[in-house]
Amino acid sequence: GQQLNQSPQSMFIQEGEDVSMNCTSSSIFNTWLWYKQDPGEGPVLLIALYKAGELTSNGRLTAQFGITRKDSFLNISASIPSDVGIYFCAGQLGSGSRLTFGEGTQLTVNP
Amino acid sequence: DSGVTQTPKHLITATGQRVTLRCSPRSGDLSVYWYQQSLDQGLQFLIQYYNGEERAKGNILERFSAQQFPDLHSELNLSSLELGDSALYFCASSLRDRSYEQYFGPGTRLTVT
Repeated sequence: GQQLNQSPQSMFIQEGEDVSMNCTSSSIFNTWLWYKQDPGEGPVLLIALYKAGELTSNGRLTAQFGITRKDSFLNISASIPSDVGIYFCAGQLGSGSRLTFGEGTQLTVNP
Repeated sequence: DSGVTQTPKHLITATGQRVTLRCSPRSGDLSVYWYQQSLDQGLQFLIQYYNGEERAKGNILERFSAQQFPDLHSELNLSSLELGDSALYFCASSLRDRSYEQYFGPGTRLTVT
C-alpha cells in the first residue's frame, strides 16, 4: 500500500523561528492535506491542496503540493508556543479513496 | 470543537475482554471513519460507513467490528482484547462519502492491561 514518509520526526525550536517539514510518497497523490493534533485532542485539518504546484496559506502556515505529486511541504513562520503539537500530512490517491497519513512531526516551541 | 463526539474518553480493561466505543458525527454528516493511533504512530484507517453502509475497510482486525445506526451514530466493537490493542481510537465524520475533508473527534484512549 501507499507509504508516506514524514520528516523530521521531531523538532525543537525557539519561539519566533520558522519551521519546515515535509512529506514524501512512493505513489502519486491527487490531494495533499496537513493536520495538526494538539495533546489529548483529535487532528484538525489545517490546509488542503488539490493541484500540483499549488501553494496555499492559512495565516502563518504555508503548504505546497509538489510538482511530482509525490511530496508536500508545510512551513510555519514566526512560531509561537501554541504551535506545539503533532503535524500530520495525509494524501488521497483519488476522489473517494481513503486517506493515508504520515507518522507525524512532533513540534516543540520553547518560549 | 469539531462537533464530533466520542465516548468514553478513557477506557481501561483487561486482556480477553470486549469493549464498545461510540461516536456521534457532526450534525448533517453522513460518513463516519474509524482510525487507530498507537504510541508514536500515525493514524491507521480501520473502516468507514456512509449512511449506514460499510464503504471502505482498512487494516481492521477480524476481532474488531463496527456499525453505523439509523441515527448515524457509530460503534466500534473490539473483542478478545490484547495488550497491543492499547491505542487512541479516533472517529471522524464528513458530509460526503469517502471525503478527504474529515472532522475528528477527541478520541477514546484504550488501555488493555
